[in-house]
Amino acid sequence: DAGITQSPRHKVTETGTPVTLRCHQTENHRYMYWYRQDPGHGLRLIHYSYGVKDTDKGEVSDGYSVSRSKTEDFLLTLESATSSQTSVYFCAISASGREELFFGEGSRLTVL
Amino acid sequence: EDQVTQSPEALRLQEGESSSLNCSYTVSGLRGLFWYRQDPGKGPEFLFTLYSAGEEKEKERLKATLTKKESFLHITAPKPEDSATYLCAVFYSGGSNYKLTFGKGTLLTVNP
Repeated sequence: DAGITQSPRHKVTETGTPVTLRCHQTENHRYMYWYRQDPGHGLRLIHYSYGVKDTDKGEVSDGYSVSRSKTEDFLLTLESATSSQTSVYFCAISASGREELFFGEGSRLTVL
Repeated sequence: EDQVTQSPEALRLQEGESSSLNCSYTVSGLRGLFWYRQDPGKGPEFLFTLYSAGEEKEKERLKATLTKKESFLHITAPKPEDSATYLCAVFYSGGSNYKLTFGKGTLLTVNP
């Protein structure tokens, strides 16, 4: 199994509060991704990183920011959480960005 | 407009009853098609990558095939432990970038 750890695995928070999700990998892969998964939708890309300090937006990036200060860590931040951000968030990694992704176990976020 | 469509949305089989799941796509510039298995509360688990029409991959009771417009995941003599959601994802060149689009998945239930 790919060495990907997400934390926290579950979080309940209130509207307007900041939230940070962490993804840690032990595979030394260059590419890291944050996806959200919601009923009725496929996995949707929020942001991705192609190297330390190199990030780019995905299709649903509004309200989210990311940071990558080390190869192994990729943080997703909701500056002011809203109920529409209630979702399951998955981190994924790939070696070159041109092959299959490997996913973490997910972080379930509930915004009340 | 959906570029990746999976059908059926849900499929219920009896143990030993073989069937196929479909993933059709309308993108151009296909670079690869991925199949994943996802169990409840878990992250997607990588199964196969197919790169070109005519290619086939097998793993235990699963066989994935690819044509120019669709992929099939054939399940032979399924067992209850094959119950899961199966996701496909299409990796393609979209303009100057590469893109990865996921289907919404097929929920497979295998009854004993």
